[in-house]
Amino acid sequence: EVQLVQSGGGLAQPGGSLRLSCAASGFTFSAYWMNWLRQAPGKGLEWVANIDQGGSEKYYVDSVKGRFTISRDNAKNSLFLQMDSLRAEDTAVYFCAKHSRNSGFQYWGQGSLVTVSS
Amino acid sequence: DIVMTQSPLSLPVTPGESASISCRSSQSLLHSNGDNYLEWYLQKPGQSPQVLIYLGSNRASGVPDRFSGSGSGTDFTLKISRVEAEDVGIYYCMQPLQVPVTFGQGTRLEIK
Repeated sequence: EVQLVQSGGGLAQPGGSLRLSCAASGFTFSAYWMNWLRQAPGKGLEWVANIDQGGSEKYYVDSVKGRFTISRDNAKNSLFLQMDSLRAEDTAVYFCAKHSRNSGFQYWGQGSLVTVSS
Repeated sequence: DIVMTQSPLSLPVTPGESASISCRSSQSLLHSNGDNYLEWYLQKPGQSPQVLIYLGSNRASGVPDRFSGSGSGTDFTLKISRVEAEDVGIYYCMQPLQVPVTFGQGTRLEIK
C-alpha cells in the first residue's frame, strides 16, 4: 500500500523557518518526481515545487523562489521542504504528492498546517 | 504561466441528474505525443484531493464510470452522470504540461 506520511509544520513567526518532511512507502520512491502543493485557508490548490528522481532538477512557483528549498533522500525514502523567510501569505495546508504522467497526483500526504503569524 | 479557467464556480445538482464542468487553458495542453496534459481532481470536505481523470480522458484507478473527461487543446469538460450525494466537493482541473503546474479556481458541487 502506498503511503505518504507528513510531519513538521506548525506555527512560525514572519521571517522564520520551518521544515516539512514526507516519508514514502509502498512504491519505488527513487523512480518518481515528487511534489509539494499547498492550500491556503478557504482557497484553492497551488503547486509549490517539484524535484526529479535524483534530486538534481528542482522547480518552484515564483512566490517561493529563493525562500523555499525542496530536497529528497532516496536512501530514506523521504521528501523535504525547507521554508525560510516565511510570510503570512505562506499560511496554508501543505501536501506532498507523487505524480506520474499515467496516473496524475494519485497519492497525497495527509497535509501539514503551516501558520505564519506573530 | 498557463492560466486555467473553470466554469461554473458553483454547481447545484439534483441527485440522479448529470453535471458538467468546463475548463479552459490559456495555452494548448496538447503535447506533440498526441496526449492532452489535463487532469481533474475532486477534493471532498476535510480530505486530500483525489485524482479523477488524467491525460484528458483517462479515468484513474477506482473512479466510477459515471465520471468522464473529454476535450482537446484548450477546452475540456468533466461530466458526471447520475450525480450522487458522495460527489459533493470541489472539482479542480490542472495542467501538468509545464511548470509552474497550475490549477483552475475550483467548482463547488452541491446537492439540491
